[in-house]
Amino acid sequence: AQTVTQSQPEMSVQEAETVTLSCTYDTSENNYYLFWYKQPPSRQMILVIRQEAYKQQNATENRFSVNFQKAAKSFSLKISDSQLGDTAMYFCAFGGGGSNYKLTFGKGTLLTVNP
Amino acid sequence: DTGVSQNPRHKITKRGQNVTFRCDPISEHNRLYWYRQTLGQGPEFLTYFQNEAQLEKSRLLSDRFSAERPKGSFSTLEIQRTEQGDSAMYLCASSLEWGQYGYTFGSGTRLTVV
Repeated sequence: AQTVTQSQPEMSVQEAETVTLSCTYDTSENNYYLFWYKQPPSRQMILVIRQEAYKQQNATENRFSVNFQKAAKSFSLKISDSQLGDTAMYFCAFGGGGSNYKLTFGKGTLLTVNP
Repeated sequence: DTGVSQNPRHKITKRGQNVTFRCDPISEHNRLYWYRQTLGQGPEFLTYFQNEAQLEKSRLLSDRFSAERPKGSFSTLEIQRTEQGDSAMYLCASSLEWGQYGYTFGSGTRLTVV
């Protein structure tokens, strides 16, 4: 079974600065996908960024980018130029491989962007 | 299409009562998932459908839980004889194929059992 670990329960950053959220996972599969989801307070989860494991190039979506280290099974999220609207719970998720019908989520990191 | 819709948004029920939640997925998505999220935790998988077929149920889904997706459209999740431990956010999501492009989540139904 796959496991996803987010070791930072809470983090804070000043507006306009850069922050990195950590995620590690455990799997014996070679082909899979990784995701970061954002859940603002009392609002629905939205997909921030995805990474295909067979691609070496790190995914980027505007101010969001990942550092994917397949050998280390690490998948961190970097948020540049942090904005107040980035305040949310961030969940790392693993999908694919043998259980390609469900995503497995970490416990989340609560990110607070301070003015 | 307005995305994934869940109703009700909030439900307060007395212990022992039955409750039913509804999820309307994105129309072209053939896969539908139910997850449960408790405070301080990430979403935990409950069950999923491909079209109208329920293909997997988690061990978290006790005999008191049942889910349906008639005609492969909307889905319902019913909890019978609710217990205080059932209090949680119940999330529905849908996806194309198996979800390699990510899921689209609904806003969830928050259940409180008193």
